[in-house]
Amino acid sequence: GAVVSQHPSWVICKSGTSVKIECRSLDFQATTMFWYRQFPKQSLMLMATSNEGSKATYEQGVEKDKFLINHASLTLSTLTVTSAHPEDSSFYICSARSGQGKGGYTFGSGTRLTVV
Amino acid sequence: DAKTTQPNSMESNEEEPVHLPCNHSTISGTDYIHWYRQLPSQGPEYVIHGLTSNVNNRMASLAIAEDRKSSTLILHRATLRDAAVYYCILRNLAGGYQKVTFGTGTKLQVIP
Repeated sequence: GAVVSQHPSWVICKSGTSVKIECRSLDFQATTMFWYRQFPKQSLMLMATSNEGSKATYEQGVEKDKFLINHASLTLSTLTVTSAHPEDSSFYICSARSGQGKGGYTFGSGTRLTVV
Repeated sequence: DAKTTQPNSMESNEEEPVHLPCNHSTISGTDYIHWYRQLPSQGPEYVIHGLTSNVNNRMASLAIAEDRKSSTLILHRATLRDAAVYYCILRNLAGGYQKVTFGTGTKLQVIP
């Protein structure tokens, strides 16, 4: 149980275009999801907390107009990287609160974004 | 969340036990100690967690110091598939679930 599906697993896009990443909780409802970004050889950096039915809470230094987060249902949160640039190339990972088991959080498998 | 300190990297021979240390000297009484690991190009996966007593599961064991200022993740027989970055994280559940922030973790290399 407690599976989080993230899609796509990798994407290449042209500079200036937008990319949407989906995060789905498959067998549980997630009122709260988290989005992380990870650059090569670095740790995960929390970008924002996504709450179902309300606005996301962004961490300091993360541009909310560039990284649009939508959490319209209890099983789906999306992250849209708008007007992507090469410096946005990174590994993006989502996580969802999944109850007491597995430490309470389950992570997606990540999305490798490459902006060319 | 209170801070944790881990060595940047460790090595182990295959099929030998591995002890991964974590220091958390500012831990509070309601902080749980969680361990996650991240295999290359994947999201983190849960390993184990505990509060005061030592814990065992099919993946690993968690030994918690009596003063709770440090803990050790024990892999009883390291395999090549255990090569990953291991993160030690403190989470205070007193106020309900909160965001999880990651430190630098320990990169474990398993030598065949």
